Amino acid sequence: EVQLVESGGGLVQPGGSLRLSCAASGFTFSTSWMTWVRQAPGKGLEWVADIKQDGSEEYYVDSVKGRFTISRDNAKNSLYLQMNSLRAEDTAVYYCVRDSRVEKLSPIKAFDYWGPGTLVTVSS
Amino acid sequence: DIQMTQSPSSLSASVGDRVSISCRASQIITKYLNWYQQKPGKAPRLLIYAASSLPSGVPSRFSGSGSGTDFTLTISSLQPEDFGTYYCQQSYTTPRTFGQGTKVEIK
Repeated sequence: EVQLVESGGGLVQPGGSLRLSCAASGFTFSTSWMTWVRQAPGKGLEWVADIKQDGSEEYYVDSVKGRFTISRDNAKNSLYLQMNSLRAEDTAVYYCVRDSRVEKLSPIKAFDYWGPGTLVTVSS
Repeated sequence: DIQMTQSPSSLSASVGDRVSISCRASQIITKYLNWYQQKPGKAPRLLIYAASSLPSGVPSRFSGSGSGTDFTLTISSLQPEDFGTYYCQQSYTTPRTFGQGTKVEIK
């Protein structure tokens, strides 16, 4: 059974830092693109960042570029999100998500497994 | 960035009704379109991928159609457990943008 479990959320002051972790199990982590998606309270979903299987490529939404860093440790089956210079608008539930070709021969990818999420609150 | 626009923003329907939700992309994305269902307090769940394919475990009353820029999610016979918010999402390019969501309520 595929499981993704986030940790590291909490209350942080504006300008502060936080590191989110995601523990993955039940699939071959090292062969999967991984993604962070967030959802501000009462709002919709926003893709934040993703990382290639071997960590050689990373992509970010413009609003977090230069402040957030996605990384992974395939030996530990873990995904991370280092968040610096946090702002009130970063307040959200952050989801760890697997990004897969649901059909092996199709180039189309989808977010097929999601963790339960971890809440990050940026407030003084 | 590709903008995804859903309509309606919310709807209320009775059990057994046929329900459709539209999603329009700001540029051609061929079939790189996925749908997700989210219930309150829960993580989203993949409902439809590649515009019209159902992952295993998703009831057959859900279907997806469309290609290019215009897509539709249809629930053929609405069930009480189908309440929640539905999101479309394009996987054609980064950033992987979502629609704003459609909230489905049961009358």
